Amino acid sequence: DVQMTQSPSSLSASVGDRVTITCRASQSIRNSLHWYFQKPGKAPKLLIYAASTLQSGVPSRFSGDGSGTDFTLTISSLQPEDFASYYCQQTFTTPYTFGQGTKLEIK
Amino acid sequence: EVQLVESGGGLVKPGGSLRLSCAASGFPFSTYSMNWVRQAPGKGLEWVSYISSSGTYIYYADSVKGRFTISRDNAKNSLYLQMNSLRGEDTAVYYCARVWDGFNYCDVWGQGSLVTVSS
Repeated sequence: DVQMTQSPSSLSASVGDRVTITCRASQSIRNSLHWYFQKPGKAPKLLIYAASTLQSGVPSRFSGDGSGTDFTLTISSLQPEDFASYYCQQTFTTPYTFGQGTKLEIK
Repeated sequence: EVQLVESGGGLVKPGGSLRLSCAASGFPFSTYSMNWVRQAPGKGLEWVSYISSSGTYIYYADSVKGRFTISRDNAKNSLYLQMNSLRGEDTAVYYCARVWDGFNYCDVWGQGSLVTVSS
């Protein structure tokens, strides 16, 4: 199975900060890496697919990069609504594993 | 409006069975593959199962293989998850999610259905 390791597991930041979350795969997954966002008690929502393509309706302050084994999600200027949990997922091969998540909290 | 609505969750004893349903609307259900994804209380997301649009291709996580069965009825725009031999570690919110073929990411999610396995 492909193991997905996200870092950090939690992060405190302020409105306006630039933050980066990293996701590393245990083997190459090309660009089959996607990012989701989840608020407490709500369903996840797709942010970025294929490593770097913004899902329709997602603000441009979100960006994704990477291929192979190393990937990043960057939020250029944090907004109050961005404080939530973020997950990466690989769909290169089954099982379609998720990272363990990053909880982004207000400092 | 594209919508997925899960139902069928509840409290079940260890060793018991439960069937989850996911009703799809607002898109041509029969042309999309689907996933089940779960989330244990306070934990992260775990992919559970995948079914292709026609039902030809089916995959499971090792943690549920042999106990859970995914199926679909395209005439009823519905997805199902039959869960047998349930364990405490199966306690979770279960989400159905539409799969965008090609990269197989989940582009639309239901609101989730809570399954609690406890005596």
